[in-house]
Amino acid sequence: NAGVTQTPKFRILKIGQSMTLQCAQDMNHNYMYWYRQDPGMGLKLIYYSVGAGITDKGEVPNGYNVSRSTTEDFPLRLELAAPSQTSVYFCASSYLQHGEQFFGPGTRLTVL
Amino acid sequence: KNEVEQSPQNLTAQEGEFITINCSYSVGISALHWLQQHPGGGIVSLFMLSSGKKKHGRLIATINIQEKHSSLHITASHPRDSAVYICAVEGGAQKLVFGQGTRLTINP
Repeated sequence: NAGVTQTPKFRILKIGQSMTLQCAQDMNHNYMYWYRQDPGMGLKLIYYSVGAGITDKGEVPNGYNVSRSTTEDFPLRLELAAPSQTSVYFCASSYLQHGEQFFGPGTRLTVL
Repeated sequence: KNEVEQSPQNLTAQEGEFITINCSYSVGISALHWLQQHPGGGIVSLFMLSSGKKKHGRLIATINIQEKHSSLHITASHPRDSAVYICAVEGGAQKLVFGQGTRLTINP
């Protein structure tokens, strides 16, 4: 099993550009999450999903959108990128509602 | 005040020392997670616990629900244990609230 995969690993965007961060898992997990990690700060939840077709906002959803059309994929869309979105983004999944989370390798995004 | 506070923020020790990292939280929780973030950035789950104590190899995690406190211990520390250790608490819904992490450096 590949576990949780994320693409790209690195990306530089200009202010105002848009992009999609891809996340996929092959463990048949219903629960998926997007986090951002800023230097010196704890991870913060952006969006999460409890199953295909169901998504909900986390702590810091502004400037982002998600979709969950399949169990495997949970892409994160950035519209109109801003320097404040410079961060490392982690996708994670879990089998149980209250269970161990499995993390992807992260995407380092810089907005200039 | 953050909901999850870790101490110390940074810890440097010599190989072989016994390590303790602390986590205090201010909300009611259903579970507490300890995670390890490698120097390369990858994050792995070490423990999830809601009471008592868990042990895996040289790592031990304890939690005291009444005092809202958890500790992560590493026995016979090794340079490969150098990483950032993150405490996260699970309250309502499917949401984890994370501490800022403790950067551990073990010197040979």
